[in-house]
Amino acid sequence: SAVISQKPSRDICQRGTSLTIQCQVDSQVTMMFWYRQQPGQSLTLIATANQGSEATYESGFVIDKFPISRPNLTFSTLTVSNMSPEDSSIYLCSVAGQDNYGYTFGSGTRLTVV
Amino acid sequence: EDKVVQSPLSLVVHEGDTVTLNCSYEVTNFRSLLWYKQEKKAPTFLFMLTSSGIEKKSGRLSSILDKKELFSILNITATQTGDSAIYLCAPIIQGAQKLVFGQGTRLTINP
Repeated sequence: SAVISQKPSRDICQRGTSLTIQCQVDSQVTMMFWYRQQPGQSLTLIATANQGSEATYESGFVIDKFPISRPNLTFSTLTVSNMSPEDSSIYLCSVAGQDNYGYTFGSGTRLTVV
Repeated sequence: EDKVVQSPLSLVVHEGDTVTLNCSYEVTNFRSLLWYKQEKKAPTFLFMLTSSGIEKKSGRLSSILDKKELFSILNITATQTGDSAIYLCAPIIQGAQKLVFGQGTRLTINP
């Protein structure tokens, strides 16, 4: 299965600022997924990042708030823009597994907005 | 709208007990269903289920899928304190290849 390096592991940010989260995969993958997990909640898909095209956003998420880059088949970034305390969450990237192995997740970024 | 419901939402048992966690789903274009264990931030993969009625086992954990009744169960026998975690199920949507997560079951094993 793929190995994903996600940075930063955690951060505390001031409201109104932006944070960019990076995910580096050790193999080429077509699709990368970005999830948010708010405190006490389950994982919610933000968007699917495809190389060479615009990301596909889920209902309730917009590009201005969560811009995504996918410059190549091994790397993606998610930016959380103009942050408010409601953006305090764990953010996770994920890629599909091979054959009968499930999707692999990055180690996660715990974001606290103060 | 795709929907995944897990039950119970929370479960507290004693070490050595056996637990059964439930996952029911209503999704368009179902491909497979995944089970994950989440202890800190990143979920760790447990099982992928694609065919009905075929039990998958890994040590004390096992899982099975019923595609007719649209549910899956995860069993843990002889529970240990290290099994304490949130257990998540997630169907894979064919085509989009995205996962739709249930709310999770928070399992607590007391010594």
